[in-house]
Amino acid sequence: GQQVMQIPQYQHVQEGEDFTTYCNSSTTLSNIQWYKQRPGGHPVFLIQLVKSGEVKKQKRLTFQFGEAKKNSSLHITATQTTDVGTYFCAGPGYPGAGSYQLTFGKGTKLSVIP
Amino acid sequence: GAGVSQSPRYKVAKRGQDVALRCDPISGHVSLFWYQQALGQGPEFLTYFQNEAQLDKSGLPSDRFFAERPEGSVSTLKIQRTQQEDSAVYLCASSLAAGTPYEQYFGPGTRLTVT
Repeated sequence: GQQVMQIPQYQHVQEGEDFTTYCNSSTTLSNIQWYKQRPGGHPVFLIQLVKSGEVKKQKRLTFQFGEAKKNSSLHITATQTTDVGTYFCAGPGYPGAGSYQLTFGKGTKLSVIP
Repeated sequence: GAGVSQSPRYKVAKRGQDVALRCDPISGHVSLFWYQQALGQGPEFLTYFQNEAQLDKSGLPSDRFFAERPEGSVSTLKIQRTQQEDSAVYLCASSLAAGTPYEQYFGPGTRLTVT
């Protein structure tokens, strides 16, 4: 089955430093979604990328979808303590695969040192 | 408006007991998903409903797990004869339209501990 791998598993940064997490899929993705889960909380949708090579920005967050639609990244500029949490990428298979599953990566846990 | 709600938020069960976990999706949402999240891991898909139809149950780990959504709104995940390996957070998510490529709204989860 499809696997979605994320690196790094953990990242500790000083407040103000940048942060990047990478997501790689074993198969081509029709789209990819990113979620954030705060400690003790539930996943919250951040964004969805659909097009090959797509780049989307949300304030200090930049999301990219690879040209081959097999990888994606999330970059945070000048981290703040409010960015603390675990960031997950998640992807379904292509339509017609017969699956409604959303496969999540294991996530990257971000700690920000004030 | 109200988000996805789940009850109970915490459940402690003795091994061998049956449990029932409830999910109230956002009103009008067609799709409903159940996930299992172990500590330090990402959510793992269990099952998917489109309205009242269970279209995918390939993620249910054993026949002790059963889910239903009889009227296309509230859903219940039932686990029979609970085992210690069932201890996890069970997340419910709903989305407005059918299929996977839509934003999913997650509930707070039910933390199940089997002793």
